[in-house]
Amino acid sequence: AQKITQTQPGMFVQEKEAVTLDCTYDTSDPSYGLFWYKQPSSGEMIFLIYQGSYDQQNATEGRYSLNFQKARKSANLVISASQLGDSAMYFCAMRELYNQGGKLIFGQGTELSVKP
Amino acid sequence: GAGVSQSPSNKVTEKGKDVELRCDPISGHTALYWYRQRLGQGLEFLIYFQGNSAPDKSGLPSDRFSAERTGESVSTLTIQRTQQEDSAVYLCASSLTSGSNEQFFGPGTRLTVL
Repeated sequence: AQKITQTQPGMFVQEKEAVTLDCTYDTSDPSYGLFWYKQPSSGEMIFLIYQGSYDQQNATEGRYSLNFQKARKSANLVISASQLGDSAMYFCAMRELYNQGGKLIFGQGTELSVKP
Repeated sequence: GAGVSQSPSNKVTEKGKDVELRCDPISGHTALYWYRQRLGQGLEFLIYFQGNSAPDKSGLPSDRFSAERTGESVSTLTIQRTQQEDSAVYLCASSLTSGSNEQFFGPGTRLTVL
């Protein structure tokens, strides 16, 4: 079974608008972390935001926020006020802290295109 | 400060040859990870090292793949008798410890097996 599912292969958003990238996960580990990474066409992996499974509040980092719904096992990324430079692949990832150590399990990614 | 570096940036090899990929983690980072990214796909975990503990090799796809790390420094990923399906970008990441929230990625090595 897929541990991380990103159902949107591609998304378009108008510049300056907000966009939500979906991510659902599956784990039986009580302690886990959820991550979002950005991968521009250059190929580098850029860490955006982290949410721990016990965190009470949704994580925010500048224009990025993580809509964490634990009961639904979803960790959607919200990008506010989209910019042209936000065009990239976005990957959701999970780390299961008790069973799997530090390794990250990645979804298949969503390609975001920001239109001027 | 210096980030994670990887060499070579590109490698083209013939089917059946062995290749070695190198990763230099951030100084002081005890955890080091190797991932593989096939074209248009997400990253697949291969192996990780944490300090002097036994590495987690659970992601290695076959016994043609192996990796070593000397202490808390350089790591090499070796692929023996390369196959065309080994063509991918191989990414290395390091973090302060395996419990750290952020893994810092290198630029990757693009391997093409002809």
